[in-house]
Amino acid sequence: QVQLQESGPGLVKPSETLSLTCTISGASIGNYYWSWIRQPPGKGLEWIGYIFYLGTTNYNPSLTSRVTISVDTSKNEFSLKLNSVTAADTAIYYCAALGFRDLHFEEWGQGTLVTVSS
Amino acid sequence: QSVMTQPPSASGTPGQRVTISCSGDISNIGSKYVDWYQQLPGTAPKVLIYRNSQRPSGVPDRFSGSKSGASASLAISGLRSEDEAVYFCAVWDDNLTALFGGGTKLTVL
Repeated sequence: QVQLQESGPGLVKPSETLSLTCTISGASIGNYYWSWIRQPPGKGLEWIGYIFYLGTTNYNPSLTSRVTISVDTSKNEFSLKLNSVTAADTAIYYCAALGFRDLHFEEWGQGTLVTVSS
Repeated sequence: QSVMTQPPSASGTPGQRVTISCSGDISNIGSKYVDWYQQLPGTAPKVLIYRNSQRPSGVPDRFSGSKSGASASLAISGLRSEDEAVYFCAVWDDNLTALFGGGTKLTVL
């Protein structure tokens, strides 16, 4: 059973960089695409992007200029960086395991709330 | 604003059958597989249906999915209080971008 755990600062200042890490357990890092999804409080889901363990990435076109997703296979974790944040980036950020064959988000982390505020 | 439209709310009484719709166009729902996610209050979403109608192991057969043309539906039969949640549809477009519907909040009366 794949388990995912997000970690990182819960408060980020406007114009700075949001950085989160997702630690993977119960699965080989090569068995899935690894994805980030966010949800502003009380609103819907927005897919941010995914990475394959070899480093191939795919980002949401609406965020691609500000997003970097990276992977560290030695630590079995992957990370999200979102730069030049504004209040509109305040959201619960989820990491998720995306299955190769059927391309659905099979497992999710519990999510972590990141607030952008000075 | 989502390119796939879901009603913001739905409701039913225990034991009833309810359906939740997800409408798009030929470029998204019309030509792609649709997935459905359930988000219980205060928790992360969980996959309920993938590839239009497939249920992951552990998902009760009270939940079923279908697709016709540019619309998809999630049906829940034998409604229970624990089904009260927000339900999202999702597809992948031609650029491998995941698109989510706006979500439907289901209330069990």
